[in-house]
Amino acid sequence: GESVGLHLPTLSVQEGDNSIINCAYSNSASDYFIWYKQESGKGPQFIIDIRSNMDKRQGQRVTVLLNKTVKHLSLQIAATQPGDSAVYFCAENRASDNAGNMLTFGGGTRLMVKP
Amino acid sequence: DSGVTQTPKHLITATGQRVTLRCSPRSGDLSVYWYQQSLDQGLQFLIQYYNGEERAKGNILERFSAQQFPDLHSELNLSSLELGDSALYFCASSVAGGFGYTFGSGTRLTVV
Repeated sequence: GESVGLHLPTLSVQEGDNSIINCAYSNSASDYFIWYKQESGKGPQFIIDIRSNMDKRQGQRVTVLLNKTVKHLSLQIAATQPGDSAVYFCAENRASDNAGNMLTFGGGTRLMVKP
Repeated sequence: DSGVTQTPKHLITATGQRVTLRCSPRSGDLSVYWYQQSLDQGLQFLIQYYNGEERAKGNILERFSAQQFPDLHSELNLSSLELGDSALYFCASSVAGGFGYTFGSGTRLTVV
């Protein structure tokens, strides 16, 4: 079936370096993508989203890139800080469903920031 | 505070018992979603309600059921509990399709 998945289960980076977390999706009908951050024992927290009519979107220290040709999504975190240590999930949705379509989540990537 | 309220935060119960988890969505959100997250696992979709009606079902066991009330709060009922049901249960809400969810802080269920 169609799904959203992640390339790397664990990513370890040095504090101050940039982090890149990747995600592949297979549903060509998906037109809305989101990255969530989940810290231990807490609920997922929205980081940034992007619609399929965009290739790139920037937030504070984060950038999401969307490559529809190869169905690939990435999250870039600049100047990674210890507080960025968490599990990151990508998720996809179809905006055409007015009632609210369920998000399909990837398996998650654990980001570990070394001081 | 995300605006999505889940109670209780922690629940410890014995096998065979029945529990009810409660969720109040963010103000203005009509859709409520329930997800299960086992240890070091991803988020598994259970069920979605939209404005009081069941909208979508995922991998929800027959022992589990849910409903959304006229005031839009939702309850997830888990019965005949087994050890494997121990997990974090998250509720999320959204306005409609094309928007991200807002998650609650979850209910940690421990079945002993």
